[in-house]
Amino acid sequence: SQQGEEDPQALSIQEGENATMNCSYKTSINNLQWYRQNSGRGLVHLILIRSNEREKHSGRLRVTLDTSKKSSSLLITASRAADTASYFCATEHIQGGSEKLVFGKGMKLTVNP
Amino acid sequence: NAGVTQTPKFRVLKTGQSMTLLCAQDMNHEYMYWYRQDPGMGLRLIHYSVGEGTTAKGEVPDGYNVSRLKKQNFLLGLESAAPSQTSVYFCASSTVPVYEQYFGPGTRLTVT
Repeated sequence: SQQGEEDPQALSIQEGENATMNCSYKTSINNLQWYRQNSGRGLVHLILIRSNEREKHSGRLRVTLDTSKKSSSLLITASRAADTASYFCATEHIQGGSEKLVFGKGMKLTVNP
Repeated sequence: NAGVTQTPKFRVLKTGQSMTLLCAQDMNHEYMYWYRQDPGMGLRLIHYSVGEGTTAKGEVPDGYNVSRLKKQNFLLGLESAAPSQTSVYFCASSTVPVYEQYFGPGTRLTVT
């Protein structure tokens, strides 16, 4: 499968702690994205990192990309209960001659107040 | 801006019935997508469209049809519903195919 795989599949932490989620993928990519999904809602785009970038920040989010290891990590600092959600990585692939975004299976983050 | 909207939010069908899910976006996006989300499977692309009047198959197109008669609307049809089509369906749109996608709130479909 070309989809990314998030690791761990589930993570439970206390409010104020940092949360780190990892994504590994198999084929070369042009960019990698992270999305959040709150329970019962649609996915929301968090951040996009291009293959020629190594690190990117957005508020409390820090994303790294290591193309040599085909992996990315999403760090949420000073977590809040509102960060409780499922997180997905998505990678760009060429399928059937056109570009597609392929989503991983997601990982569930629980932040306990 | 409403963003991406989906109707209905919930639906229960009997095996063999047909229905249409409607997706609408007000962001003037060229690209629109239909995904299904099942436990442990992530999101899988059913069909997509690269512009008004165009449609293309995704990863799991069997049992579904789509139409994009207007740029802002993308319809997903189930011709003869099967229990295997019980899922949560998400519509999304984007300006270009591999940049940020904007998702609707989802339609939860149960086929009995």
